[in-house]
Amino acid sequence: AQSVAQPEDQVNVAEGNPLTVKCTYSVSGNPYLFWYVQYPNRGLQFLLKYITGDNLVKGSYGFEAEFNKSQTSFHLKKPSALVSDSALYFCAVRDYGGATNKLIFGTGTLLAVQP
Amino acid sequence: GAGVSQSPSNKVTEKGKDVELRCDPISGHTALYWYRQSLGQGLEFLIYFQGNSAPDKSGLPSDRFSAERTGGSVSTLTIQRTQQEDSAVYLCASSLSAVERETQYFGPGTRLLVL
Repeated sequence: AQSVAQPEDQVNVAEGNPLTVKCTYSVSGNPYLFWYVQYPNRGLQFLLKYITGDNLVKGSYGFEAEFNKSQTSFHLKKPSALVSDSALYFCAVRDYGGATNKLIFGTGTLLAVQP
Repeated sequence: GAGVSQSPSNKVTEKGKDVELRCDPISGHTALYWYRQSLGQGLEFLIYFQGNSAPDKSGLPSDRFSAERTGGSVSTLTIQRTQQEDSAVYLCASSLSAVERETQYFGPGTRLLVL
């Protein structure tokens, strides 16, 4: 079965510094990986996805993620953090074992950017 | 364009009452998903609709939960005889199709509180 793990419940970073939010995955076939962000009392907003091709995926709001097959990781990164990036971040993998193709989510990482 | 919309945004009900949650997907999207977000369980899949195919109900936690999708568009999630453990945020998502690479776009959610 497909799964993702987000080892950090919270990440703290100073504004202007680079940020990394970690995600590792376990899949039985080709991985389809996604990052979403959730602001307080809001739904999930799509940031980026890896389907195939370049290992470095660029997404919304200056975020990018690096797919690493050997380490089974898909870490979310941003060169310079903003206070407004503070939110809850979810990594997800597409479960295509059946016909549903539902998303399986990690437990989420709370990103706190200090001014 | 318009995103996924959900109503109501908040719902407070008494234990034992029935509730209906509504989802309006992005126009033209054939796949529709319901997820639940709760403190104890994180983000979990509930049910999936694709076109005119039979829905995948494998994620529904009990037979008190049901959902329908009328005319391939609007969906309603019904919870009968609500219990306190049903308190959660119910998120709806839609995608252009059910192909693995398609992005699921989420609505703002319905926050359900069962007293």
